[in-house]
Amino acid sequence: AQRVTQPEKLLSVFKGAPVELKCNYSYSGSPELFWYVQYSRQRLQLLLRHISRESIKGFTADLNKGETSFHLKKPFAQEEDSAMYYCALSSSGGYQKVTFGTGTKLQVIP
Amino acid sequence: KAGVTQTPRYLIKTRGQQVTLSCSPISGHRSVSWYQQTPGQGLQFLFEYFSETQRNKGNFPGRFSGRQFSNSRSEMNVSTLELGDSALYLCASSLGTSNTEAFFGQGTRLTVV
Repeated sequence: AQRVTQPEKLLSVFKGAPVELKCNYSYSGSPELFWYVQYSRQRLQLLLRHISRESIKGFTADLNKGETSFHLKKPFAQEEDSAMYYCALSSSGGYQKVTFGTGTKLQVIP
Repeated sequence: KAGVTQTPRYLIKTRGQQVTLSCSPISGHRSVSWYQQTPGQGLQFLFEYFSETQRNKGNFPGRFSGRQFSNSRSEMNVSTLELGDSALYLCASSLGTSNTEAFFGQGTRLTVV
């Protein structure tokens, strides 16, 4: 069974401080991982995916297969980063099954 | 292209009633998933349909059901509503193949009184 764990429901950081949103997963195959974000009053949307190895809005995430983690990081938090963040895992091969974590609310304090 | 459309946006129902929510996916998307979002529980998976077949089901009681039509539009039904069913119900569509992005609708806010 595939599982995604986001241990923190709420993460509060000061503006300019580094941010790390934790995500751990459980999956027997080779996973495909995503981070989704939901800003206030907006729909849930894709932030980044591990296969693209991209940086979006200053955020990066590295897949660590040894630790089965896909933590989301940003060196300097901005107030507009305040949002709900969800880590998601997609099964590889065949048809897609997506599992979301329960989410972490990031609160950036001015 | 048009995004995922959910109707209605808001609903108020009383306990014991039933409700049907609708989701129109992005054109060409064959996979539709439903989620329940609450402040306390976060995002919880309800079920997923692909080409009119339910492929996956979350851990919800049988009062929650759904279906998908040949045009990929999907409906979700909740019978015998309980106060705890009050939540934002989100629909997401995707191509349904590996490593594809899920596109979410704005959701239907259901309030059970």
